[in-house]
Amino acid sequence: SQQGEEDPQALSIQEGENATMNCSYKTSINNLQWYRQNSGRGLVHLILIRSNEREKHSGRLRVTLDTSKKSSSLLITASRAADTASYFCATVYEGGGNKLTFGTGTQLKVEL
Amino acid sequence: NAGVTQTPKFQVLKTGQSMTLQCAQDMNHEYMSWYRQDPGMGLRLIHYSVGAGITDQGEVPNGYNVSRSTTEDFPLRLLSAAPSQTSVYFCASSYKAFPSGNTIYFGEGSWLTVV
Repeated sequence: SQQGEEDPQALSIQEGENATMNCSYKTSINNLQWYRQNSGRGLVHLILIRSNEREKHSGRLRVTLDTSKKSSSLLITASRAADTASYFCATVYEGGGNKLTFGTGTQLKVEL
Repeated sequence: NAGVTQTPKFQVLKTGQSMTLQCAQDMNHEYMSWYRQDPGMGLRLIHYSVGAGITDQGEVPNGYNVSRSTTEDFPLRLLSAAPSQTSVYFCASSYKAFPSGNTIYFGEGSWLTVV
């Protein structure tokens, strides 16, 4: 399997704190995407970063990509209870054809 | 637009029974795919299609069949259900294939239990 690995598997923080999740992958990629999944729902796309980009922002989200370390991080600033969800990274590998490969996810709980 | 629609939402099958999970999208997306999600395993790709009449296998295709007769529909068939196929199934679509950087849109999932 070419799945990425998220770290940590679970994260519990207080509202207002920042949450950082990491994703490591195995081979060269075309792009890396982050998704959110609320309990019992489908996944929702958050942000895409291409292999030639190092950082992207979207609202309270900041994604970094280090291709030399084959890793990415997702930072959620000033977290809210509504951010409670599972977060997944997904990659399109070079030579992987049309396959989007998901990691195992980080469960984030934001407490009031 | 309804987006990606999956039916049924919940299904219980007996071992050996067959069934079809339906998936439809109204966004004129070329790419459609099926994933299964199991605890601690993330999402694993079952089958995908880059256009009508074209399908290919993903990471875990055994026990599943697909067809793509129209752009809109991409049904997933379980010919002889096994308890190992108990899972949550997600259909997803994208305007174009991934290497070009298009994002993927997911349905709400189908919970399948095989007893």
